[in-house]
Amino acid sequence: AQSVSQHNHHVILSEAASLELGCNYSYGGTVNLFWYVQYPGQHLQLLLKYFSGDPLVKGIKGFEAEFIKSKFSFNLRKPSVQWSDTAEYFCAVNAPGTYKYIFGTGTRLKVLA
Amino acid sequence: GAGVSQSPSNKVTEKGKDVELRCDPISGHTALYWYRQSLGQGLEFLIYFQGNSAPDKSGLPSDRFSAERTGGSVSTLTIQRTQQEDSAVYLCASSPRGSTGDTIYFGEGSWLTVV
Repeated sequence: AQSVSQHNHHVILSEAASLELGCNYSYGGTVNLFWYVQYPGQHLQLLLKYFSGDPLVKGIKGFEAEFIKSKFSFNLRKPSVQWSDTAEYFCAVNAPGTYKYIFGTGTRLKVLA
Repeated sequence: GAGVSQSPSNKVTEKGKDVELRCDPISGHTALYWYRQSLGQGLEFLIYFQGNSAPDKSGLPSDRFSAERTGGSVSTLTIQRTQQEDSAVYLCASSPRGSTGDTIYFGEGSWLTVV
């Protein structure tokens, strides 16, 4: 069965610090990968997604993620975080040909002003 | 509407009562999902609809949980004889086709507290 692991449950950073949130998945075949973000009091929204091609994917608000197939990883990065990036971040995987999206447990990011 | 709409946004109910949670997906979206978000548990898949049919109900935690979708649009998730462990945020999402790699769009959730 597919699963997604996010090892960092809580991250606290100061503004301008660099961010990397880990995401590992378990699935032997081709996958589609997603990062969703939930800002305080708001609904989950898509940050970026990877289907194929360039393993470095750029999303909104300066976020990017790199798919490393050999490591089954899809880590989220941002060179310089802002206070407004305070949110919960979820990694998700979807196997091609299926409808089910499997989510990780989320990482709560707090950025100190 | 422009997004996925869920009601009620908050519900406090007594243990043993039944509750109904409603989801109005984005117009034209054929796929509809229910997830449950519990503290520290991430998003737990409950059920998926393609049109009015539910090809996968495997995520429903027990037979106290049921869901239906009518007219290819609105969906209702019903929890009978609620228990305290049912307390969670119930999230509804929709996508255009339910096909591989579709972006799924979430509602703001229904916060359920069972006391």
